Amino acid sequence: GDSVTQMEGPVTLSEEAFLTINCTYTATGYPSLFWYVQYPGEGLQLLLKATKADDKGSNKGFEATYRKETTSFHLEKGSVQVSDSAVYFCALSDMFTGSGYALNFGKGTSLLVTP
Amino acid sequence: EAQVTQNPRYLITVTGKKLTVTCSQNMNHEYMSWYRQDPGLGLRQIYYSMNVEVTDKGDVPEGYKVSRKEKRNFPLILESPSPNQTSLYFCASTPGIGGGGIYEQYFGPGTRLTVT
Repeated sequence: GDSVTQMEGPVTLSEEAFLTINCTYTATGYPSLFWYVQYPGEGLQLLLKATKADDKGSNKGFEATYRKETTSFHLEKGSVQVSDSAVYFCALSDMFTGSGYALNFGKGTSLLVTP
Repeated sequence: EAQVTQNPRYLITVTGKKLTVTCSQNMNHEYMSWYRQDPGLGLRQIYYSMNVEVTDKGDVPEGYKVSRKEKRNFPLILESPSPNQTSLYFCASTPGIGGGGIYEQYFGPGTRLTVT
């Protein structure tokens, strides 16, 4: 079945450092890919998405490119801020699976940015 | 404001006492679902609904029930809660497919349930 693997955390960075969180997936159909962010004590918010190969999603300085050849959707940001401290989830949704539009989530990567 | 609401936000209960967590969305979305979030396991889907009166099991449905009598509401029912259902629960909704791919899901704020 479909699955998502993302790097385990926690990841600790200094402010203004470069961020990469790796995400790879397996899917039988044509998935859409997402990054969600969960700030402490809050629900999940969509950070960015890509619906087909070579699409680049971007938002708030974060970027991720849908790479079908490597089945990857790595999250990057050039200069992180303390306010980026959160848990980041990579997820896919495949319209051809039996569970409708279910999101398959990775286990999450906790990011801590220190001043 | 477009949103998904859940109630209650926090709940402490005892084993075997039936409870219902409500979920409502005001975006006229057809698809709704419930997830539970556990440390080290990420989020896993419990049940989903493609439309009114259409529900189906997700990955971890044991011990849960749902109903979808109206488009906007999708309550999660625990008939006889047990301690292993202590978790953080999220309701989500989506319009489904559009623009060549799947729309994102919109999540509620979460319900933290503790079963003693």
